[in-house]
Amino acid sequence: QVQLVQSGAEVKKPGASVKVSCKASGYTFTSYGISWVRQAPGQGLEWMGWISAYNGNTNYAQKLQGRVTMTTDTSTSTAYMELRSLRSDDTAVYYCARFVVVPAAPIDYWGQGTLVTVSS
Amino acid sequence: EIVLTQSPGTLSLSPGERATLSCRASQSVSSSYLAWYQQKPGQAPRLLIYGASSRATGIPDRFSGSGSGTDFTLTISRLEPEDFAVYYCQQYGSSQTFGQGTKVEIK
Repeated sequence: QVQLVQSGAEVKKPGASVKVSCKASGYTFTSYGISWVRQAPGQGLEWMGWISAYNGNTNYAQKLQGRVTMTTDTSTSTAYMELRSLRSDDTAVYYCARFVVVPAAPIDYWGQGTLVTVSS
Repeated sequence: EIVLTQSPGTLSLSPGERATLSCRASQSVSSSYLAWYQQKPGQAPRLLIYGASSRATGIPDRFSGSGSGTDFTLTISRLEPEDFAVYYCQQYGSSQTFGQGTKVEIK
């Protein structure tokens, strides 16, 4: 069965960086893309960007351009999301999620989420 | 960037009632690349509807989606106790964006 297993919770200081991993199993990793979506406490879903596991193409939300980098390691079927220059309002649960890039398709499987807390 | 605006913010209804949720886009959503998700506390979202009106695998037929262009609707024909949750629309035709959510709560 399809599974996306994310790395554990992180606590970071303002200005630091965080890198969250997402290990996929149960499907052909390179046939899909991975989106990253975050949710601040008590708030809605915010799309951060996506990466194609097929060719590494990325598409980042304009708001996060320059602070976020998404990568994949096809040898281990793992996706990564790195966010730099962390601020307190980056505190959120970060989800990875699978979708078909072409033709465009919605997210059909989600990881369990990783809580990132930014606090001095 | 396409902005999605959901209304109402909160819907207070009783089990058995009909729920109608709205999602309006700031520009036309190409090829009806519009999805709806349900999220319960402490859980990841679950896909309900894609392509504006197609139910995802395993989704009961009391959930239906409609609309095109800039106006979309999710209808729950008769609310079951497990349907009280937050619902998000998402467009996936031009990058991806989410609406701010509609909470369906027990009246």
